[in-house]
Amino acid sequence: GAGVSQSPSNKVTEKGKDVELRCDPISGHTALYWYRQRLGQGLEFLIYFQGNSAPDKSGLPSDRFSAERTGESVSTLTIQRTQQEDSAVYLCASSLGQGTNIQYFGAGTRLSVL
Amino acid sequence: GEDVEQSLFLSVREGDSSVINCTYTDSSSTYLYWYKQEPGAGLQLLTYIFSNMDMKQDQRLTVLLNKKDKHLSLRIADTQTGDSAIYFCAETPDDYKLSFGAGTTVTVRA
Repeated sequence: GAGVSQSPSNKVTEKGKDVELRCDPISGHTALYWYRQRLGQGLEFLIYFQGNSAPDKSGLPSDRFSAERTGESVSTLTIQRTQQEDSAVYLCASSLGQGTNIQYFGAGTRLSVL
Repeated sequence: GEDVEQSLFLSVREGDSSVINCTYTDSSSTYLYWYKQEPGAGLQLLTYIFSNMDMKQDQRLTVLLNKKDKHLSLRIADTQTGDSAIYFCAETPDDYKLSFGAGTTVTVRA
């Protein structure tokens, strides 16, 4: 696609439910990143995928968070048993994975946990 | 806490220059970036600078880098209402993930 696409753009869920967020990166980008942005704050790194290498999961805040990526295409971020503190905007980015490695961001998914 | 620090707010009159400052911690960052976020939107890359440069100019944008003090600034000349947004400074503490500041909210007043 022309840019990074994320869906849904907004998600409202009840505490305790599971949610899945989707990211479709720019075609040809081997690297994909998930970040979390809490209200009024900067972005926190969550997870990084590069090609077929093992992902860097060092930013995932708890074992309720997981992410998958099939090859160099779509990624899903799953949050199990959501809590109110999970409310945030979840941003996905992709990059060529080399050189200046500029990351291009999607518009994000705004998650609200009631 | 965050390793990248920025002032939180900046108010500037239309037509004046804006200067947004940032300090970072990782001297090994190869590139440093400025991103812009408009309400309800994702982050848009504005510009970046390679760590062996001390200045980069791109139309109305000027980036200054002081590696000794780990200080980065973004100057926007002739600030317009469309420049109202949150501006994020980011460093690369390793080869890939970005470490962001909390963002500077720039408000342009007529």
